Amino acid sequence: EDKVVQSPLSLVVHEGDTVTLNCSYEVTNFRSLLWYKQEKKAPTFLFMLTSSGIEKKSGRLSSILDKKELFSILNITATQTGDSAVYLCAVGLEYGNKLVFGAGTILRVKS
Amino acid sequence: EAGVAQSPRYKIIEKRQSVAFWCNPISGHATLYWYQQILGQGPKLLIQFQNNGVVDDSQLPKDRFSAERLKGVDSTLKIQPAKLEDSAVYLCASSWDYRQETQYFGPGTRLLVL
Repeated sequence: EDKVVQSPLSLVVHEGDTVTLNCSYEVTNFRSLLWYKQEKKAPTFLFMLTSSGIEKKSGRLSSILDKKELFSILNITATQTGDSAVYLCAVGLEYGNKLVFGAGTILRVKS
Repeated sequence: EAGVAQSPRYKIIEKRQSVAFWCNPISGHATLYWYQQILGQGPKLLIQFQNNGVVDDSQLPKDRFSAERLKGVDSTLKIQPAKLEDSAVYLCASSWDYRQETQYFGPGTRLLVL
């Protein structure tokens, strides 16, 4: 059975801290790994990674994939209260573009 | 560019009643997905359409759930009869086609079954 596990389940940090969110996976027919941010509405797309070892960056957020060890991390530097959300990791499978999601990491940034 | 539209945003029903959700994907997107997200869990795919054909409905509880996308654009998801465990957020997403991994999500419909 395809499985995506995220850790930690939740964390609370102060503004300005740096956080690292983890995502490990065991799937057949891996094609890509995606990160989404979910506030009280639709998950919004952050990154898609397909190649091992290549970092993707967008402002204070960055992510990297290790296809050998089957995990990805999402880093957020200089956190702000607006970063408070659930961060979802999903693995895209080779056939049919199915996404398998993890349960998410709840991040709360205190001012 | 308009995003994925869903309605209603919230629905409260009693068990054994029926309910329907509507989704309009991003214009031009051939692939449409319905997900169920139970509180504290990640979204789980219920059904995937490519135009008006079903690509994957392996996790759709077909005894009570049905979905259609008759003209290959908007879609409806129906539950009949509803059970307490159907309480969840129902998310609709779309992508250009099944080969394009990035899926764009709508705001979801929050269903509470009493």
